[in-house]
Amino acid sequence: QKEVEQNSGPLSVPEGAIASLNCTYSDRGSQSFFWYRQYSGKSPELIMFIYSNGDKEDGRFTAQLNKASQYVSLLIRDSQPSDSATYLCAVNKGRDDKIIFGKGTRLHILP
Amino acid sequence: DTEVTQTPKHLVMGMTNKKSLKCEQHMGHRAMYWYKQKAKKPPELMFVYSYEKLSINESVPSRFSPECPNSSLLNLHLHALQPEDSALYLCASSQELAVQETQYFGPGTRLLVL
Repeated sequence: QKEVEQNSGPLSVPEGAIASLNCTYSDRGSQSFFWYRQYSGKSPELIMFIYSNGDKEDGRFTAQLNKASQYVSLLIRDSQPSDSATYLCAVNKGRDDKIIFGKGTRLHILP
Repeated sequence: DTEVTQTPKHLVMGMTNKKSLKCEQHMGHRAMYWYKQKAKKPPELMFVYSYEKLSINESVPSRFSPECPNSSLLNLHLHALQPEDSALYLCASSQELAVQETQYFGPGTRLLVL
């Protein structure tokens, strides 16, 4: 089992709809979780981080963490064409302070 | 301000050349990172510096040599690279090397080895 798994997509979502991106991780001791957005040819940009079970909202973005089920998700409300990018889930297992990236999900917002 | 800068933006080098990549941050962060990213792949960690000391080396070949001259600056010296080393090289920094610290990435240097 890979350490951090994401569906590679592409995930196509109509403009204005909710985009839901999922990520599962294998190490039950993982402690912190990050979502990065990466446009083609650009560097990753932090969108959200979450440490505790439950939801965390920031504008149109909501991160959800369920440690019992070992998944973290990112919801994007009122999706815009500018949200089209690859979304990377990253997990810090807490032992050596490295973050492990998933392979990313390509999101395509349809105008 | 969460800016990490990297120079150069693009670099083309031959397999016998020696070149260096530079990364700078003025956020007072004490942890700095080098990642390598190939097309359509996630970033792969190469090196981590904490308080100017090398903390993690992910078994990177010796043709890549990191250096942290001071708390704001991180270099990656390149020598005798191979074409398969062509990639986007990303620098990142965080406040500390700790589990809940967020890493902020620079724009990257796109390297082509001929």
